[in-house]
Amino acid sequence: SAVISQKPSRDICQRGTSLTIQCQVDSQVTMMFWYRQQPGQSLTLIATANQGSEATYESGFVIDKFPISRPNLTFSTLTVSNMSPEDSSIYLCSVDSGQGGPDTQYFGPGTRLTVL
Amino acid sequence: EDKVVQSPLSLVVHEGDTVTLNCSYEVTNFRSLLWYKQEKKAPTFLFMLTSSGIEKKSGRLSSILDKKELFSILNITATQTGDSAVYLCAVLEGGSEKLVFGKGTKLTVNP
Repeated sequence: SAVISQKPSRDICQRGTSLTIQCQVDSQVTMMFWYRQQPGQSLTLIATANQGSEATYESGFVIDKFPISRPNLTFSTLTVSNMSPEDSSIYLCSVDSGQGGPDTQYFGPGTRLTVL
Repeated sequence: EDKVVQSPLSLVVHEGDTVTLNCSYEVTNFRSLLWYKQEKKAPTFLFMLTSSGIEKKSGRLSSILDKKELFSILNITATQTGDSAVYLCAVLEGGSEKLVFGKGTKLTVNP
């Protein structure tokens, strides 16, 4: 399985500011995904980040609030813009296993964001 | 409307007990069902199931899928305190390659 790292692992931010989360993979992967997990809730997909094209956002998530970059096949960033306390969540990136057929997704260690 | 429903939402057992966690789903274009264990932040992969009736096993954990009845179970035998975690079930939808997660089952194993 791919080894995935995320930075920062946690942060406490003031409302109105922005935070960029980085996701680095130790091998080239086609698809990278960004999830949010609000306190006590399950994982919700924010967007799919594909190299060379714009991210595909899920219903309820917009590019202005969660801009995503995917400059190459091993790296992606998610920015949480103009933060409010409701953005306090764990943010997770994941990658597919890239083995063809039904793929397994592996998750990074997550970023715990608290917005005051 | 929830596409992936897990039950129970929480469970408290004693070490040595056997537990069964349930996951039912309703998605179009089903590709596979995945189980994850989440202890702190990152879900760690347990099993991927694509075919009915074939049990996947790893140590004390096992899982099986029923594509006719649209459910899966995760069994943990001889539970240990280290099994305490949230167990997540997710279904991979073909085409979109999206994982749809259930709300999870929080398992607490007391010594």
